[in-house]
Amino acid sequence: AQTVTQSQPEMSVQEAETVTLSCTYDTSESDYYLFWYKQPPSRQMILVIRQEAYKQQNATENRFSVNFQKAAKSFSLKISDSQLGDAAMYFCAYSQTQGGSEKLVFGKGMKLTVNP
Amino acid sequence: EPEVTQTPSHQVTQMGQEVILRCVPISNHLYFYWYRQILGQKVEFLVSFYNNEISEKSEIFDDQFSVERPDGSNFTLKIRSTKLEDSAMYFCASSRDRNTDTQYFGPGTRLTVL
Repeated sequence: AQTVTQSQPEMSVQEAETVTLSCTYDTSESDYYLFWYKQPPSRQMILVIRQEAYKQQNATENRFSVNFQKAAKSFSLKISDSQLGDAAMYFCAYSQTQGGSEKLVFGKGMKLTVNP
Repeated sequence: EPEVTQTPSHQVTQMGQEVILRCVPISNHLYFYWYRQILGQKVEFLVSFYNNEISEKSEIFDDQFSVERPDGSNFTLKIRSTKLEDSAMYFCASSRDRNTDTQYFGPGTRLTVL
């Protein structure tokens, strides 16, 4: 079974600084998707970024980028120029590709605090 | 931008009562999901639904749970006889395609069972 591990329960960063959130996963599949979702205090789950395992290029979305290390099964999220609105729980998630299970498998999440 | 909506935002019920949680997925999406998140814990998959039938369900999704798409827009989760441990945040999600498309989540319904 696939598992997703977020070993850091909490992190903090100064506004305008850069922070990296770590995630590791375990799978025997060669193709899959990885996601970072953000959950602010409102508790809505918001997609931050998505990576397809067959793509070697790391995904980027404005201030958010990932460092995808397939061999190491590592998928970290880098937030540049941190803003107060980035404060939230961040969840790493995994899903199989076409033909596999449809479910998202989530890590336990990490609470990010942004200090002014 | 289209979004998934859920009602109510907060539901309080007595143990043993039936509850129905409602979701309106994004209009051109074909795959629908329910997840739950017990306070302080990870988000867990409950069930996926396509073409008017369940396509996958987890061990959590026992006979107390059912899902339905009663019309062209709503997608519901029913819990027949609620237990204290059903208290959680319930998220609906939808996607255009199976697996290849991103699942977009609604704002969640907080269910409190007393």
